[in-house]
Amino acid sequence: GESVGLHLPTLSVQEGDNSIINCAYSNSASDYFIWYKQESGKGPQFIIDIRSNMDKRQGQRVTVLLNKTVKHLSLQIAATQPGDSAVYFCAEISNTGKLIFGQGTTLQVKP
Amino acid sequence: EPEVTQTPSHQVTQMGQEVILRCVPISNHLYFYWYRQILGQKVEFLVSFYNNEISEKSEIFDDQFSVERPDGSNFTLKIRSTKLEDSAMYFCASSRDSGANVLTFGAGSRLTVL
Repeated sequence: GESVGLHLPTLSVQEGDNSIINCAYSNSASDYFIWYKQESGKGPQFIIDIRSNMDKRQGQRVTVLLNKTVKHLSLQIAATQPGDSAVYFCAEISNTGKLIFGQGTTLQVKP
Repeated sequence: EPEVTQTPSHQVTQMGQEVILRCVPISNHLYFYWYRQILGQKVEFLVSFYNNEISEKSEIFDDQFSVERPDGSNFTLKIRSTKLEDSAMYFCASSRDSGANVLTFGAGSRLTVL
């Protein structure tokens, strides 16, 4: 069946360091992936997406890497700031267009 | 920036009671969704809605759940007889296109069933 999961439940980094959040997916037919950020008390917020015909996509301070061979997705945040503290979810789009979320990684940024 | 708004932000109810969660999607959006998140767990898909009918629903969305778009602005989720395990955050989302990449989520409604 379809499933999206994350390797680590919590990641703690120093302010200014780079953060890497990982995600594994099981459906090799998935062709579209999204990272969402969820701050406390708020709904998921779109960060960046990537399609399966790409292996890297960059945004503002964020980069998503896709390794289709091992079905692995990562989110890299450069120069992590206190405002980056949140839960990060990877999600894949099913063949019917719905989002399938992973478990989430809590990013804690230490000052 | 346009927002998806949800009410109430928090509702406490007794087991067996009916609950209606309300959502006002972004005005020019055509596709509507409900997701839920049990505390500490991942966000789960419940149902999608387009053109005044359900497009897809998950196994969670059983006969106790229903959705409705009663007018041109509101999108509601009704739980007929709440159970303890219905306690969760319920997120409404909307999109202009069918692709989930343009999904905008509301802040959520926390439902606590006692």
